[in-house]
Amino acid sequence: EIVLTQSPGTLSSSPGERATLSCRASQSVSSSYLAWYQQKPGQAPRLLIYGASSRATGIPDRFSGSGSGTDFTLTISRLEPEDFAVYYCQQYGSSPYTFGQGTKLEIK
Amino acid sequence: QVQLQESGPGLVKPSETLSLTCAVSGYSITSGYYWDWIRQPPGKGLECIGTIYNYGSTYYNPSFKSRVAISLDTSKNQFSLDLSAVTAADTAVYFCARHGADSHFDSWGQGTLVTVSS
Repeated sequence: EIVLTQSPGTLSSSPGERATLSCRASQSVSSSYLAWYQQKPGQAPRLLIYGASSRATGIPDRFSGSGSGTDFTLTISRLEPEDFAVYYCQQYGSSPYTFGQGTKLEIK
Repeated sequence: QVQLQESGPGLVKPSETLSLTCAVSGYSITSGYYWDWIRQPPGKGLECIGTIYNYGSTYYNPSFKSRVAISLDTSKNQFSLDLSAVTAADTAVYFCARHGADSHFDSWGQGTLVTVSS
């Protein structure tokens, strides 16, 4: 199975700053089948990005995804207060589908 | 707009079988898509358990393969999870979800907490 490793584990930032989250795969993710989700306490994950770089419906353009192969990045250009949450990457190129362990984005 | 809702016991005894149901509204489960169970232990990450598609074909994560069964009830437009021989390590929030072929999870239930304890 493909293991996804996210870094950092916790990122402390301030509103208005830029945040960069990383996701590294143990083997190449075929066809860039990589998604990013945001999860807040007590809620289900919310899809942000699919296909490594396509924004889901209704997602603000301050969220962007990039990367291919084994290295992927989620960038939030200007943090808003509602962006502080846990972020997960997930690959769907190979079964079983797997998630990274998450990056917690907290307010500095 | 599709909606998914999990239901089932919140407490299961060790060695027994955990059984959950996901009711789907706004979309027929026989019209395509893959229907999934995913879990999240308290304070931890997400883990795919298995999926059902094509009127009953299944794929199970090898980590669960000997203990899991997923089934469809087309008359009620719902699908179910059975996880046998549970231990405290199976305590988690269980989500149902769906995904398209070679695609991401695009719809999720709200999740239901199942605690394994005597």
